[in-house]
Amino acid sequence: DIHMTQSPSSLSAAVGDRVTITCRASQDIGNWLAWYQQKPGKAPELLIYAASRLLSGVPSRFSGSGSGREFTLTISALQPEDFATFYCQQANSFPFTFGPGTKVDIK
Amino acid sequence: QVQLVESGGGVVQPGGSLRLSCATSGFTFKSHAMDWVRQAPGKGLEWVALISSDGYYENYPDSVRGRFIISRDNSKNTVYLQMNSLIPEDTAVYYCARGNDYGDYGVFDSWGQGTPLTVSS
Repeated sequence: DIHMTQSPSSLSAAVGDRVTITCRASQDIGNWLAWYQQKPGKAPELLIYAASRLLSGVPSRFSGSGSGREFTLTISALQPEDFATFYCQQANSFPFTFGPGTKVDIK
Repeated sequence: QVQLVESGGGVVQPGGSLRLSCATSGFTFKSHAMDWVRQAPGKGLEWVALISSDGYYENYPDSVRGRFIISRDNSKNTVYLQMNSLIPEDTAVYYCARGNDYGDYGVFDSWGQGTPLTVSS
């Protein structure tokens, strides 16, 4: 199985801050990586797929980059509605696996 | 708009069985792979099953293989998860998720609200 890690596990940031989350895969997954946002008590929502493709309707302040084993999710200017837990997930091979999550809260 | 509504969760004793349903609307169901993803209390996300758009291909992680069966009825726009030989570690919120428009397995572009399962005596 492909093991996914994320760093940091949590971070505190202010509205307007630039935030970067890193995701690493235990083996090369090409660009088969997705990012999800989950707010408390809610279902996850897809933000980015194929490492860098923004899902239609997702604000442009979200961006993704990377390939192979290392990926990043960047929020260019954090908004109040962005405080949540973010998960990366590999879709390169079965079983699909998620990272442990990065919780972004208010500084 | 795309809607996925799960039902069927509850409290089950270890060793018991339960079937979850996910009724969908707002899109061409037969054109999308469908998945189930679960989340144990306070924990992260775990993928548990995939079924292809035509229903002929399934896949599972080892943690549920042989105990869980995913199926679908394209005439009813519904996907199911039959869960057998349940163990306490299966306790989680179970989400139904839709595969993306491009037919890529493992990209979940819409999710239901989840249905909770508790396995306990």
